[in-house]
Amino acid sequence: AQSVTQLDSQVPVFEEAPVELRCNYSSSVSVYLFWYVQYPNQGLQLLLKYLSGSTLVESINGFEAEFNKSQTSFHLRKPSVHISDTAEYFCAVSRKDTGRRALTFGSGTRLQVQP
Amino acid sequence: GAGVSQSPSNKVTEKGKDVELRCDPISGHTALYWYRQRLGQGLEFLIYFQGNSAPDKSGLPSDRFSAERTGESVSTLTIQRTQQEDSAVYLCASSPPGQGEIYGYTFGSGTRLTVV
Repeated sequence: AQSVTQLDSQVPVFEEAPVELRCNYSSSVSVYLFWYVQYPNQGLQLLLKYLSGSTLVESINGFEAEFNKSQTSFHLRKPSVHISDTAEYFCAVSRKDTGRRALTFGSGTRLQVQP
Repeated sequence: GAGVSQSPSNKVTEKGKDVELRCDPISGHTALYWYRQRLGQGLEFLIYFQGNSAPDKSGLPSDRFSAERTGESVSTLTIQRTQQEDSAVYLCASSPPGQGEIYGYTFGSGTRLTVV
């Protein structure tokens, strides 16, 4: 089975400051890794994903995440946040070896960007 | 449709009543998932449909929960004899066959179920 741990339930940060949202996972098999974002009153949206290749992946709105296999981590970072980044962020994994591809999610981190 | 549509968006029901939650996936998406999101927690997988294959029901928490899907279209999640612990947001997601990990799943906005 897989598990995902997001240690920080809430992360308050000032606008234009850098931020890191932590994600660690546990799995007996290789996994794909994802970050989803849920803006207030909206559904979850895929932010970025790691499937293979370069361990550093980027989103179109300035977020990046780095897959670290030895530390089983996939932390999300942004060098300068905006008010509009206020949302809940979920880290998720899915097994590479099955066809179901159901996601296992962490409990989420609420990013609160303050002016 | 353009996105995954779920209805109702909010549902308040009395303990012991049955409820039905509906999900309209994106046209052409053969894979459909139901998840449950309890307050302050991550999403829990409930059930998975893939085309005409037998559904994967391994995430259903009890026999009070069931789901159906007609072909590759609408899915209904039914909760019988609701309990207060069933209060949560129920999310539906769909993806093209075998491509969820590439393109990402498309989630609906969810149904917020409150059992009083």
